[in-house]
Amino acid sequence: EPEVTQTPSHQVTQMGQEVILRCVPISNHLYFYWYRQILGQKVEFLVSFYNNEISEKSEIFDDQFSVERPDGSNFTLKIRSTKLEDSAMYFCASSGEGGVGQPQHFGDGTRLSIL
Amino acid sequence: DQQVKQNSPSLSVQEGRISILNCDYTNSMFDYFLWYKKYPAEGPTFLISISSIKDKNEDGRFTVFLNKSAKHLSLHIVPSQPGDSAVYFCAAYANNAGNMLTFGGGTRLMVKP
Repeated sequence: EPEVTQTPSHQVTQMGQEVILRCVPISNHLYFYWYRQILGQKVEFLVSFYNNEISEKSEIFDDQFSVERPDGSNFTLKIRSTKLEDSAMYFCASSGEGGVGQPQHFGDGTRLSIL
Repeated sequence: DQQVKQNSPSLSVQEGRISILNCDYTNSMFDYFLWYKKYPAEGPTFLISISSIKDKNEDGRFTVFLNKSAKHLSLHIVPSQPGDSAVYFCAAYANNAGNMLTFGGGTRLMVKP
């Protein structure tokens, strides 16, 4: 069964550094998403991406964050100047055509630890 | 943000019995609901969904019930199996919020052999 893959599984970074989290969505999917889950808290929506542009973003997704689809397979989340509170599990997801109402399929996440 | 609430943090059930996981919501703009299962060190896995125009959807051992007037949905698993032990998340789409999923806090289900 096709799946969403995320790399790395764990990223440790010094505060203030930039990180790039990588995702390979399911190949025929058109909608891509990033979510995060801070330890002990809910899974929170960050951003959705369709047709090479951001379609929705939450209040969390401020100027510190950016997303990119650099080629036909990868989808990345960049966090500039990381802060301690950015420590969380980051999940990438994708869905097929007609995103609203469609199940989103999640990767296994990247655990980001900011020191 | 308490738009989707799962009030039971954990549930323990005997193998073969029914598991009932509950979810309440407050946003009347939610019109599509999903249940996800999550094992440790893995991402959420889609289980079953329901549109707000329906009150029941069934897929094998899994049935989701929606009570719109009470803003309540539940996931029934019958019969429960030890492999069902996981954290279950309720999630919802709002018709004015595009592709954003809003998640509940999750319920940890333990199915005892």
